Amino acid sequence: AQSVTQPDIHITVSEGASLELRCNYSYGATPYLFWYVQSPGQGLQLLLKYFSGDTLVQGIKGFEAEFKRSQSSFNLRKPSVHWSDAAEYFCAVGFTGGGNKLTFGTGTQLKVEL
Amino acid sequence: EPEVTQTPSHQVTQMGQEVILRCVPISNHLYFYWYRQILGQKVEFLVSFYNNEISEKSEIFDDQFSVERPDGSNFTLKIRSTKLEDSAMYFCASSERGRGADTQYFGPGTRLTVL
Repeated sequence: AQSVTQPDIHITVSEGASLELRCNYSYGATPYLFWYVQSPGQGLQLLLKYFSGDTLVQGIKGFEAEFKRSQSSFNLRKPSVHWSDAAEYFCAVGFTGGGNKLTFGTGTQLKVEL
Repeated sequence: EPEVTQTPSHQVTQMGQEVILRCVPISNHLYFYWYRQILGQKVEFLVSFYNNEISEKSEIFDDQFSVERPDGSNFTLKIRSTKLEDSAMYFCASSERGRGADTQYFGPGTRLTVL
């Protein structure tokens, strides 16, 4: 069965600093990979996704992520963090065939210091 | 921008009572989902629904759970006899199609507290 690991439960960065949130997956074939963000009281908003082609994907709010098959990773990055980026970030994986459920990681809570 | 809506935002119920959580998916979407997140744990898939049938369900989705699309706009999750361990945030989602690469759009969630 597929699984997703987000090793960092909490991350604190200073505003303006760069950010990288880690995500590793376990799945036998090429997965579909997603990053969602959840602000307090809000639903899960899609930041970006990878399903084929260029392994570096651009998303909303200045985020990007890179799919590295050799490392089974899909890390989320942002060159300069804004205070409004403070939220919880979830990595998720979907897969071909047999349904379209998403399997989520445990999430990373991002705190931004001013 | 179209969005998924859920009501109520919070629901408190007594153990053993029935609850119905409501969702209005995005209007042109055909696939609907329920997920839940127990406090401090992962978001977990419960069920997917298409063409008035369950297309996939997890082992969590046992006989006490049911889903229904009672009309052209609503999608509901019913828990027949709630247990303490059903306390969680329940998210509804919808997608235009049911392929693995299709984006699922999530609602804001309903926080269910079972006392």
